[in-house]
Amino acid sequence: EVQLLESGGGLVQPGGSLTLSCAASGFPFSSYAMTWVRQAPGRGLDWVSGISASGSTTSYADSVKGRFTISRDNSKNTLNLQMNSLRAEDTAVYYCARDFLPRLVFQGGPFDSWGQGTLVTVSS
Amino acid sequence: EIVLTQSPGTLSLSPGERATLSCRASQTISSTYLAWYQQRPGQAPRLLIFRASSRATGVPDRFSGSASGTDFTLTISRLEPEDFAVYYCQQSDKSPLTFGGGTKVEIK
Repeated sequence: EVQLLESGGGLVQPGGSLTLSCAASGFPFSSYAMTWVRQAPGRGLDWVSGISASGSTTSYADSVKGRFTISRDNSKNTLNLQMNSLRAEDTAVYYCARDFLPRLVFQGGPFDSWGQGTLVTVSS
Repeated sequence: EIVLTQSPGTLSLSPGERATLSCRASQTISSTYLAWYQQRPGQAPRLLIFRASSRATGVPDRFSGSASGTDFTLTISRLEPEDFAVYYCQQSDKSPLTFGGGTKVEIK
């Protein structure tokens, strides 16, 4: 069974940093591109970042480019999101999700498996 | 950036009724790269439809998708109690990938 478990969320002050992790199991992690999608309270889904299966290629939404860094450790089946210079508008539940097919490049979806999310609150 | 406009914002229907949800793209996109998700309260999104009309594994056949130009439609033939949720379309044809704003299907 595919499982994705996010961790690392919490309360952080504006301008602060936080690192999210997503532990994957139940599938060959190194064969799948992965992504982070967030959802502000009461709002819709907002794509954040994606990474290829090997980790060699990454992509970001303009709203987080230069502040967030996506990475993965295929030896530990873990996806990460380093978030710096956090703003109030980054407050959201952050989901990690798996690409639908085992392919090397990040195609942008669809995403067939999602974690339960971790809440990030940016507030003073 | 491709904008996906979903309508209506809210659909009030009774169990057993037919639901028709719309997703309109601001530019032409290939139907190969259009997906639909369901999100129940407090849960993560769930992939329902990919390539505009293909059902994901385990999705009941009362869910169907179609495409016509820049217009995409998700149809639920007969609403079951568990279908009352928010539905999102998503495109991955052109970067950045984008989601629609969602349609809430609520019990009338």
